[in-house]
Amino acid sequence: GNSVTQMEGPVTLSEEAFLTINCTYTATGYPSLFWYVQYPGEGLQLLLKATKADDKGSNKGFEATYRKETTSFHLEKGSVQVSDSAVYFCALNPDNYGQNFVFGPGTRLSVLP
Amino acid sequence: EAQVTQNPRYLITVTGKKLTVTCSQNMNHEYMSWYRQDPGLGLRQIYYSMNVEVTDKGDVPEGYKVSRKEKRNFPLILESPSPNQTSLYFCASSSPSRSRAYGYTFGSGTRLTVV
Repeated sequence: GNSVTQMEGPVTLSEEAFLTINCTYTATGYPSLFWYVQYPGEGLQLLLKATKADDKGSNKGFEATYRKETTSFHLEKGSVQVSDSAVYFCALNPDNYGQNFVFGPGTRLSVLP
Repeated sequence: EAQVTQNPRYLITVTGKKLTVTCSQNMNHEYMSWYRQDPGLGLRQIYYSMNVEVTDKGDVPEGYKVSRKEKRNFPLILESPSPNQTSLYFCASSSPSRSRAYGYTFGSGTRLTVV
């Protein structure tokens, strides 16, 4: 079946540190891949996405590259800020019908000043 | 503003007392879905709907009901809530032409406590 695995949290970093949150997936066919962010007390917001192999999604300084050979979609940011503290979810959409999104368990990031 | 609106944001209820959580979207999306979020388990799909009058079970449908009589609304019904349904609930919507590229739009969540 389809699944998403993320690195265990919480992740605690100092401001301006480099961030990597690992995400690997299992899916048939050619899924779209997403990173969502959930700030405290809010719903999930789409952070970035990639729809085919070797695509790089980017937004707000975050990047992730769709690696089909390693079935990975790792999230990176060169210099985190306190305002990046949130829970990050990796997700995939395995088909063209939209209802079968599969989410990872989420990784909580805390950035200290 | 394009959005998914859930109500209420917070709800405390007693075991067995029927409740409804409403969800409405203003984007004319065909797809709507309910998720629950629990610590360590991420998001799990409860029910989804591909269009009006078309609904189907997700991964954890037991104890829940839904209906889709209008395109914009997708209420979640708990006929007899139990404490194990204490959770954070999210409604989400999307459209067939946009879901692969743009994913779901989520509501702000409903935190439900059943005592």
